[in-house]
Amino acid sequence: DTGVSQDPRHKITKRGQNVTFRCDPISEHNRLYWYRQTLGQGPEFLTYFQNEAQLEKSRLLSDRFSAERPKGSFSTLEIQRTEQGDSAMYLCASSAGGDSYEQYFGPGTRLTVT
Amino acid sequence: AQSVSQHNHHVILSEAASLELGCNYSYGGTVNLFWYVQYPGQHLQLLLKYFSGDPLVKGIKGFEAEFIKSKFSFNLRKPSVQWSDTAEYFCAVLSSGTYKYIFGTGTRLKVLA
Repeated sequence: DTGVSQDPRHKITKRGQNVTFRCDPISEHNRLYWYRQTLGQGPEFLTYFQNEAQLEKSRLLSDRFSAERPKGSFSTLEIQRTEQGDSAMYLCASSAGGDSYEQYFGPGTRLTVT
Repeated sequence: AQSVSQHNHHVILSEAASLELGCNYSYGGTVNLFWYVQYPGQHLQLLLKYFSGDPLVKGIKGFEAEFIKSKFSFNLRKPSVQWSDTAEYFCAVLSSGTYKYIFGTGTRLKVLA
């Protein structure tokens, strides 16, 4: 399968713990995006990278959230000191460069904070 | 702030019925428009997209959408739905100068066999 992959698919953690999610984009896609989706809502933009540069961050991305894409390939999203309100599906997407705006989504990581 | 509205949150149809799902956006500039579908247990998949040109665009599985600039709308249509169209449908807007999607809240479609 050459689509976007995310790991883990499910994560249950206790409030206050740190969690890290990984996203592997489609090979050679130089843009990578993170979204968050809660029940009954559409995905909300968190941040995006062009290669290794993080070019835009949403105000939803509080100081407890950090994302990296160190070599311009896979990306990680870390949430520190998780809160119950962080419970959501975290989606990763990628797109090719240039004028390609079509984003390809991964299956998501479902986070439950107890 | 830019926003996307999908007014139908839940739609139930019988097979062979026609479908129209509404999508309105608030942005006056150039936009790219998308409809994504999420089948049960699967990830978001692109149904169709509009960038420019003919405002009536055709997508996969018999879906089409019409961009009406004056109404800021991009409604999704299908003449005859099938049970396999049961899914959640999301409208998304990409405004010029950015690469981030703004999604609507989604419409959950259930097609009765």
